[in-house]
Amino acid sequence: DTEVTQTPKHLVMGMTNKKSLKCEQHMGHRAMYWYKQKAKKPPELMFVYSYEKLSINESVPSRFSPECPNSSLLNLHLHALQPEDSALYLCASSQKAPVDSTAYEQYFGPGTRLTVT
Amino acid sequence: TQLLEQSPQFLSIQEGENLTVYCNSSSVFSSLQWYRQEPGEGPVLLVTVVTGGEVKKLKRLTFQFGDARKDSSLHITAAQTGDTGLYLCAGASAGGTSYGKLTFGQGTILTVHP
Repeated sequence: DTEVTQTPKHLVMGMTNKKSLKCEQHMGHRAMYWYKQKAKKPPELMFVYSYEKLSINESVPSRFSPECPNSSLLNLHLHALQPEDSALYLCASSQKAPVDSTAYEQYFGPGTRLTVT
Repeated sequence: TQLLEQSPQFLSIQEGENLTVYCNSSSVFSSLQWYRQEPGEGPVLLVTVVTGGEVKKLKRLTFQFGDARKDSSLHITAAQTGDTGLYLCAGASAGGTSYGKLTFGQGTILTVHP
């Protein structure tokens, strides 16, 4: 089983709203990732959690706030977003954390399509 | 900064034709992954290659990792309409500024016409 689930599937929010994206995996994976993807472009890394600790933040604006409550869950809290933040937000997980191995295959969830109005 | 040049960017072919997608870099990768993505969905992992010179086959798809682990190719034989999608290569690095991150190619948008 290599399933990563994400909710919601679609989200429309105003620039003053606060919302959260959720990601879950039950594969015992030790690393989880958030990516942002614009249409027909490759995913852009935002955050990496290894062993439930934030290990990489790709200089993401503070209006995006990640949280890893436990080894199976990853949240992305959104506040005061801009229209240019509209994109497909992808969560991924890998069995091995980058610190443990270089062959960290990443498995992606279906994504949340975010529209900021 | 590591770069992974993927080509071609767009590919439009008829069902039954063969095609090859290339990913090239001046950097060495410890492993390289290929993904296929459909509109509105997340990328689906097709294969991971780890050893220089490695060849892996997945039905009509053949993946190669260059001897020096700097390049890779995906060959599809007798393409079908169901092969339509965005194909992404992604390299994993052992160290340096790209440690812990996948370097993605720009993607190949494949359209297979019936």
